[in-house]
Amino acid sequence: DGGITQSPKYLFRKEGQNVTLSCEQNLNHDAMYWYRQDPGQGLRLIYYSQIVNDFQKGDIAEGYSVSREKKESFPLTVTSAQKNPTAFYLCASSGTSSRETQYFGPGTRLLVL
Amino acid sequence: GENVGLHLPTLSVQEGDNSIINCAYSNSASDYFIWYKQESGKGPQFIIDIRSNMDKRQGQRVTVLLNKTVKHLSLQIAATQPGDSAVYFCAEILRGYSTLTFGKGTMLLVSP
Repeated sequence: DGGITQSPKYLFRKEGQNVTLSCEQNLNHDAMYWYRQDPGQGLRLIYYSQIVNDFQKGDIAEGYSVSREKKESFPLTVTSAQKNPTAFYLCASSGTSSRETQYFGPGTRLLVL
Repeated sequence: GENVGLHLPTLSVQEGDNSIINCAYSNSASDYFIWYKQESGKGPQFIIDIRSNMDKRQGQRVTVLLNKTVKHLSLQIAATQPGDSAVYFCAEILRGYSTLTFGKGTMLLVSP
């Protein structure tokens, strides 16, 4: 099956801890994205990458970091600097033209202990 | 700043009715629009898209209308079913950009 997978489905973070969310796609898409969704809200862009070894900050990048060492993978690290990390995190991928539909993974829900 | 927004946060309909979900945008440089459906606890699912050079596009039971004069986008769902209950988001891409800007979403509740 082609698609986007995210793991884990639920993740618990302790105070001061960094945690990493996984996102993998086998759609052969060049571009990948991370969004944060708070309850009753729309999606806000954290980081995106249009090519391997390159990425750009989105609207709410503070407290997060990413890497793009492989085309298929775009992990997101929620650092201890992110003071309000509880949210639903969504990964997406697409082609790189300006009119490409983004396809989303199932999401990871991050909770703070 | 300029953004994409929705008029109605919640829409309740009866099974079999037609549903219309509205979206206003304010940036005339918006070039491409997408409607997504998000069920509780899941990632958004692509429904239908429309380019700025079109006024209407139809899919299976869904139609998207774009009125560039008043910067308004609507999603029409025919013969709404309980399985259509979800939050619906419109999103836009500005000309020359590759990132989506999402509205806050409208919850559609379908009663049997």
